[in-house]
Amino acid sequence: GQQVMQIPQYQHVQEGEDFTTYCNSSTTLSNIQWYKQRPGGHPVFLIQLVKSGEVKKQKRLTFQFGEAKKNSSLHITATQTTDVGTYFCAGNNQGGKLIFGQGTELSVKP
Amino acid sequence: DAGVIQSPRHEVTEMGQEVTLRCKPISGHNSLFWYRQTMMRGLELLIYFNNNVPIDDSGMPEDRFSAKMPNASFSTLKIQPSEPRDSAVYFCASRTTGGKYEQYFGPGTRLTVT
Repeated sequence: GQQVMQIPQYQHVQEGEDFTTYCNSSTTLSNIQWYKQRPGGHPVFLIQLVKSGEVKKQKRLTFQFGEAKKNSSLHITATQTTDVGTYFCAGNNQGGKLIFGQGTELSVKP
Repeated sequence: DAGVIQSPRHEVTEMGQEVTLRCKPISGHNSLFWYRQTMMRGLELLIYFNNNVPIDDSGMPEDRFSAKMPNASFSTLKIQPSEPRDSAVYFCASRTTGGKYEQYFGPGTRLTVT
């Protein structure tokens, strides 16, 4: 079945350093979504990418969707302690079913 | 809007007991999803409904799990009988269709089966 792989599983950074998480799908996606889950919280939608090669920015966060629509990345510039949490990518297949990656847990040391 | 509402927020039960988790989606959302989250397996989709009809239940682990959506504003996930390995956080999420696919998650129910 369709799989969405996400790396790394954990990332520890010093505040101010950059952070990137990568997502790869075994099949072509209709779109990809990113969610953030704070410790003890629930996943919260961040953004959706639909077009091949699309790049979107939200303040210090930059999201990319690969040309083949099978991979994506999230880059955070100059991390802050408020960025702590687990970041999930989720691929949407043609049937509208979201397949979540395993998530990347980000910890930020002040 | 109140968001997706789940109850109870925490449930502790003994092995063999029946557990019922409840979810009220956001008004106007016509798709509803049940997820299970554990450290070992991550976030797993159990079942989802469109317009109250179950579309894909391939993620339901076994016959002990069942889900219903009797109307557009209410869904239940039942485990009978419960087992310790069912301990997890269960999330309900809802969304609209028609081009917008982002899902809105409820706060989750933390289930502990002893």
